[in-house]
Amino acid sequence: GQQLNQSPQSMFIQEGEDVSMNCTSSSIFNTWLWYKQDPGEGPVLLIALYKAGELTSNGRLTAQFGITRKDSFLNISASIPSDVGIYFCAGQSGATNKLIFGTGTLLAVQP
Amino acid sequence: DAGVIQSPRHEVTEMGQEVTLRCKPISGHDYLFWYRQTMMRGLELLIYFNNNVPIDDSGMPEDRFSAKMPNASFSTLKIQPSEPRDSAVYFCASSRTVLTFGAGSRLTVL
Repeated sequence: GQQLNQSPQSMFIQEGEDVSMNCTSSSIFNTWLWYKQDPGEGPVLLIALYKAGELTSNGRLTAQFGITRKDSFLNISASIPSDVGIYFCAGQSGATNKLIFGTGTLLAVQP
Repeated sequence: DAGVIQSPRHEVTEMGQEVTLRCKPISGHDYLFWYRQTMMRGLELLIYFNNNVPIDDSGMPEDRFSAKMPNASFSTLKIQPSEPRDSAVYFCASSRTVLTFGAGSRLTVL
């Protein structure tokens, strides 16, 4: 099935560092979402973006909806150990609620 | 609200056996999705329903997979007969506007 290209695949950082990950698609999306998945759990929504160019923050997280509507990025500032997990972008197009997920970024934070 | 509830959380079965995964969506959500997650293929959409009606089943791997939603509060995903390559975590998710996932059902087919 269709998937979004997400990078990097994995990141190993020190506590306190900033993190940046992005997602690109060959298709245009009307909505971009970022999810986090903890081990043994389902993905949980972090941030939703609804308009091209939109920049939205949620605590230490900031995400942007690309102007071309084909990309999005997520930044995490001052990382902490509980930020560990897999981060997924997801895009939604058209009038349906169908989401296409990115390939995921595994984040490991060294205390 | 208890969120999206899936059962069983873990299932180990032998090749050829029938597997039934169950999902209770969040009350009031009119969309229900079944996803499969593997290391190799990531999160794949299998099928989704709107108001209990299947809308898109193009992600269902083959005829061995079937899904039903007899009412607004219950859905099943059935695999018959199961094969080792079906081993994965199967997620149910529901939405009204924002997609909310269950904790998943980890299936191992020996």
